[in-house]
Amino acid sequence: DVKVTQSSRYLVKRTGEKVFLECVQDMDHENMFWYRQDPGLGLRLIYFSYDVKMKEKGDIPEGYSVSREKKERFSLILESASTNQTSMYLCASSLLTWGGFHEQYFGPGTRLTVT
Amino acid sequence: GIQVEQSPPDLILQEGANSTLRCNFSDSVNNLQWFHQNPWGQLINLFYIPSGTKQNGRLSATTVATERYSLLYISSSQTTDSGVYFCAVGYSGGSNYKLTFGKGTLLTVNP
Repeated sequence: DVKVTQSSRYLVKRTGEKVFLECVQDMDHENMFWYRQDPGLGLRLIYFSYDVKMKEKGDIPEGYSVSREKKERFSLILESASTNQTSMYLCASSLLTWGGFHEQYFGPGTRLTVT
Repeated sequence: GIQVEQSPPDLILQEGANSTLRCNFSDSVNNLQWFHQNPWGQLINLFYIPSGTKQNGRLSATTVATERYSLLYISSSQTTDSGVYFCAVGYSGGSNYKLTFGKGTLLTVNP
């Protein structure tokens, strides 16, 4: 079974803090993704990575950065947290085949509150 | 980008009833997934079904890619089926592998 884990289920941070959300997958997947989920807006892609040290912007990258130093680990970084980044953050992973598309598997999510 | 519409937005059932959830999408896709989001927020994979029909217990799904829709069938519903059901589609144009999600169907199964 594919397993995607996230470092925290719940997180409370103050405005201006630097926040790290970490995601680890154990299936040797090339692709990893960060989404956020907000009421009324649904799930939106922030960033994704198809290889170590590679990253591509999704639909809403502003205010975020990412890091992928190892294949199994993908970190989302909020350089200076703001209240509008209060959200549910979901990490996902999938295999990569150029020109193809594979099933994405999601972690349990991190509910981040910025006060 | 691809548009995904799910219907109905809300559905209330009595335990034991059957239901059909629909997902329409606006363009060709080569990935379609159905998820159930549990009360704790985790997305549980139900089906990976870019085309054809699959069954898993009381759940089954059909995707007609040429007509750009997918259906999720839930038979003999149970209270544990309650939650939000999402359809998500993807197209691997270039290096873009993102999933585009519908807004979901909120299913409530009453005992």
